[in-house]
Amino acid sequence: GAVVSQHPSRVICKSGTSVKIECRSLDFQATTMFWYRQFPKKSLMLMATSNEGSKATYEQGVEKDKFLINHASLTLSTLTVTSAHPEDSSFYICSASPSSGRPLNEQFFGPGTRLTVL
Amino acid sequence: GQNIDQPTEMTATEGAIVQINCTYQTSGFNGLFWYQQHAGEAPTFLSYNVLDGLEEKGRFSSFLSRSKGYSYLLLKELQMKDSASYLCAVVNAGNNRKLIWGLGTSLAVNP
Repeated sequence: GAVVSQHPSRVICKSGTSVKIECRSLDFQATTMFWYRQFPKKSLMLMATSNEGSKATYEQGVEKDKFLINHASLTLSTLTVTSAHPEDSSFYICSASPSSGRPLNEQFFGPGTRLTVL
Repeated sequence: GQNIDQPTEMTATEGAIVQINCTYQTSGFNGLFWYQQHAGEAPTFLSYNVLDGLEEKGRFSSFLSRSKGYSYLLLKELQMKDSASYLCAVVNAGNNRKLIWGLGTSLAVNP
């Protein structure tokens, strides 16, 4: 149990386009989902916390207008990278925290999305 | 401030035992996680400690001392597939479900 899927797994796009990444909890409900980005050989960097039915909470330095987050249901959160530029190229990972039944704050991770902006 | 320290890199030999330490200084504490991450993949859950002591799970064990702000992950009978990054993450106080992450320890297991 506790599977999180992420789609697409890999995307290559032109500079200036927008890219949407989906994160789904397949067998549990997640009130809270998290979006991270990770550069090669670096640790996870939290971008934002996504709460179902409310606005996302962004970490300092993360542009909310550039990284749009929508958490419309208890099993789906989306991250849209708007007007992508080469410096947005990174590994984006989502995680979901079950609403109940698990150690508080345990996060289950999706497989990640490798974004390359040309 | 919030601070989590782990060694950057470690090397060990197949079949041996290795201990990866993690020290933390956070404004609150509500548990500590260890995750494993292979290159190019997402992290996977290894262990969770909220009370002092040792939690054993197969070849992996995790220890916590809240008074010392210290945890370690112990890997026994090392295998080549254990070569990965090991991330320590602390649950801060409050119920926002956010984790504070260490920078990770890259473990290389050699034959």
